[in-house]
Amino acid sequence: GAGVSQTPSNKVTEKGKYVELRCDPISGHTALYWYRQSLGQGPEFLIYFQGTGAADDSGLPNDRFFAVRPEGSVSTLKIQRTERGDSAVYLCASSLGQKSPLHFGNGTRLTVT
Amino acid sequence: RKEVEQDPGPFNVPEGATVAFNCTYSNSASQSFFWYRQDCRKEPKLLMSVYSSGNEDGRFTAQLNRASQYISLLIRDSKLSDSATYLCVITTSGTYKYIFGTGTRLKVLA
Repeated sequence: GAGVSQTPSNKVTEKGKYVELRCDPISGHTALYWYRQSLGQGPEFLIYFQGTGAADDSGLPNDRFFAVRPEGSVSTLKIQRTERGDSAVYLCASSLGQKSPLHFGNGTRLTVT
Repeated sequence: RKEVEQDPGPFNVPEGATVAFNCTYSNSASQSFFWYRQDCRKEPKLLMSVYSSGNEDGRFTAQLNRASQYISLLIRDSKLSDSATYLCVITTSGTYKYIFGTGTRLKVLA
């Protein structure tokens, strides 16, 4: 079956611009996660959705970052006024619920110039 | 202290060798444990869950030691294709976060 789909796979943007990253989870997975991974590091938690609501957004680094999941399926991670330090791979994952393994998409490689 | 710690490596081993990695965690309320494999410039993929009694999947064996708060991964008869970064992942009771270690790099040499 279809896995987690993320678009775009690569995004280059200029400092100060706004970007949106999209994630389409595995059908039937109610839990959706966003992570960020920098070179040589493990994935860093950003936000978790259970259904439509953000159950835990404690990993969002600041108020320039925001994510939505309006219909409990597709999610969008939004970054305002991008900074060079935002450059990383943004990974989306979904799961059946707590204690179940995460299934990751291919990621979006964001480069802020 | 980090919630999850791994030796970053790299571990360079010859083909056919047995290699083991450990991953320590700081929260005694940790409840679920996984090993993921990540190839260069790819997403992490589930290798195996780690069960309390230990579990094996082919050449791979995972163990959990709650008393000492670590999990381990043993790879027997290493193949060139095992070269990757191995990430340990934990979840903790009361939260839904999956916390990742920084990963251990393995290079299997011909």
